[in-house]
Amino acid sequence: AQSVTQLGSHVSVSEGALVLLRCNYSSSVPPYLFWYVQYPNQGLQLLLKYTSAATLVKGINGFEAEFKKSETSFHLTKPSAHMSDAAEYFCAVSPGGATNKLIFGTGTLLAVQP
Amino acid sequence: NAGVTQTPKFQVLKTGQSMTLQCAQDMNHEYMSWYRQDPGMGLRLIHYSVGAGITDQGEVPNGYNVSRSTTEDFPLRLLSAAPSQTSVYFCASTGTGNGYTFGSGTRLTVV
Repeated sequence: AQSVTQLGSHVSVSEGALVLLRCNYSSSVPPYLFWYVQYPNQGLQLLLKYTSAATLVKGINGFEAEFKKSETSFHLTKPSAHMSDAAEYFCAVSPGGATNKLIFGTGTLLAVQP
Repeated sequence: NAGVTQTPKFQVLKTGQSMTLQCAQDMNHEYMSWYRQDPGMGLRLIHYSVGAGITDQGEVPNGYNVSRSTTEDFPLRLLSAAPSQTSVYFCASTGTGNGYTFGSGTRLTVV
């Protein structure tokens, strides 16, 4: 069975500091991996996705993630946090390709301090 | 605008009542799914469909029914609402590897 673990339900950074949100996955087949962002009282927006092409994936709003098969990780980073990055971030895995069911982690709430 | 449309946005039900949450997409996506979001638990898959006439259960299907008579529509039915079904419900769809598109959600309270 596929699963996703997000380490740290709450992360707080200062404006301008590095953002690092951790995600580890479990999958019996090569996975598709996604990061989504949810702003308060809104739906989910796709930040980026890994679909077995380049291991370093660039997304919107300056975020990127690196797929590391040996570590079964797909951590999300941004070099310099902005106040507008405050939101909840979800890592998700799709085991059999992008048209199969999507399994989410429990989310990480990012706070950005001025 | 193209996307996933969910109705209603808010709903209050009494225990034991039934209702249908509507979901429609205009992107000709084959795959559609329903999730519920609860604090600290992320999004959990309720039911999903890989095409018209085909549905299957996700992680938390009890108390919910779905059907998929057309490609566009994927309604979620609560048969007899319970307070444990108080949640935010999201519908999502995807086509061929472009990522999942989510609706704006339905906030349901069961009293």
